[in-house]
Parts: sequence; C-alpha cells; structure tokens
Amino acid sequence: QSALTQPASVSGSPGQSITISCTGTSSDVGGYNYVSWYQQHPGKAPKLMIYDVSNRPSGVSNRFSGSKSGNTASLTISGLQAEDEADYYCSSYTSSSTLLYVFGTGTKVTVL
Amino acid sequence: EVQLVESGGGLVQPGGSLRLSCAASGFTVSSNYMSWVRQAPGKGLEWVSVIYSGGSTYYADSVKGRFTISRDNSKNTLYLQMNSLRAEDTAVYYCARARGYSGYDFGYWGQGTLVTVSS
Repeated sequence: QSALTQPASVSGSPGQSITISCTGTSSDVGGYNYVSWYQQHPGKAPKLMIYDVSNRPSGVSNRFSGSKSGNTASLTISGLQAEDEADYYCSSYTSSSTLLYVFGTGTKVTVL
Repeated sequence: EVQLVESGGGLVQPGGSLRLSCAASGFTVSSNYMSWVRQAPGKGLEWVSVIYSGGSTYYADSVKGRFTISRDNSKNTLYLQMNSLRAEDTAVYYCARARGYSGYDFGYWGQGTLVTVSS
C-alpha cells in the first residue's frame, strides 16, 4: 500500500481559490467516504480540516471545502489568506492488508 | 476540553525499547478510537496503530510484531510499547483521537514526542 498521491506544492495569491487533489484507489479513497484533510504548520501538530469527504468540524472556516469523485478527493481553499500557508495532508480508511489508514504525500501551500 | 499529552520519547539505540504514553483529559480513552501517527523528520504523516473502543487493535505492517498499542482505563492513558527499534522508526510520534466516538479520522492530536533511534 503506497501513500495517496498529492501534488508537492500549490500556490495562489491572497483572495484566490486553490484546489489540492488526493488520488488513491478503489481500496481507499474510492471505496469509502472516510477521507479527511489535515493542515499542519511548521513545528505544530496536524489539525483536522475536513472529515468524511466534505464535513467541516466546528471552528473550521467555511473557506475550506472537500469533495470526491471516483478515486480522487479534493480540498478547495477559497479566499486564500496568509495564514493558510501550511502543509496539507489527506487521509483515507483503507481495506489494504498492510494498514488501516493511509495518508497522502502532502502538499505545501504557498500564499504568494 | 479534549487534551492529549504525549511523553516517553528520547534517544535509544537500535534494537532497544521505549514506551510512549499519551495522557488524556476531557474524555474517556476507552470510549474512543485512539491512534498513533508518526512523522519522520522532514517527511509526511504515517499511521502506526489504532485501538478501537471495543479493544480491537491494528498495526501498520512496518511495525507489526514490534509495537504494541494498549490503554490503561484507570489512568485514562494510551500507550505504545516499541521494541526492536530501527533507525527508520525515528520520528515525532503523535497520539490522536477520532473526532467522534467512532470516526475514521484524527480529530484531536497531542503535541508529539520525538523518538530518535541511533547509536
């Protein structure tokens, strides 16, 4: 079981929208609605931003939204702000024989 | 308020052992899905192990047979016993709780504890 595939970096100007993709297989992303997204600032613990594909935990800005199509999930950040600059990871439950949860490779978001 | 505080990390020689602890407050460990997730220096996140509220445990193949997840209900604490440690186990280890009682996500995280395996 390999990590889910994410672009290494995505950038945008303040106010713009960006989308981060997360590609897996029918054994993980495509097979379950258990995709979640995490934001991690340098030296800090990850923070849950989206769970169950498209749900936002209480306290997370509605500028963050999630979706899924087939084996690919996506995180969209609208109205990009300076504080959104961070690493983002997707995760999925998986029916793999080697693990139960799999993370994405991570995406560095840069606000220009 | 949910809080998770890890401890027990440090420097250990290859082949050695270490036990990590995760003290929880604001909720009951035994009623929730609890996981360990690690992050090697400069690398991405890697799921390590989970213990479900019913007591079932699961491990990533990379640690199966060497690591053991457990909990002490009286202390409301999660543990990770790590044996036969290898250089590739060097990482910050986070304990995490699912957002809900049985969610398949990592809604709450501790601050992490660094484990360094080196001679």
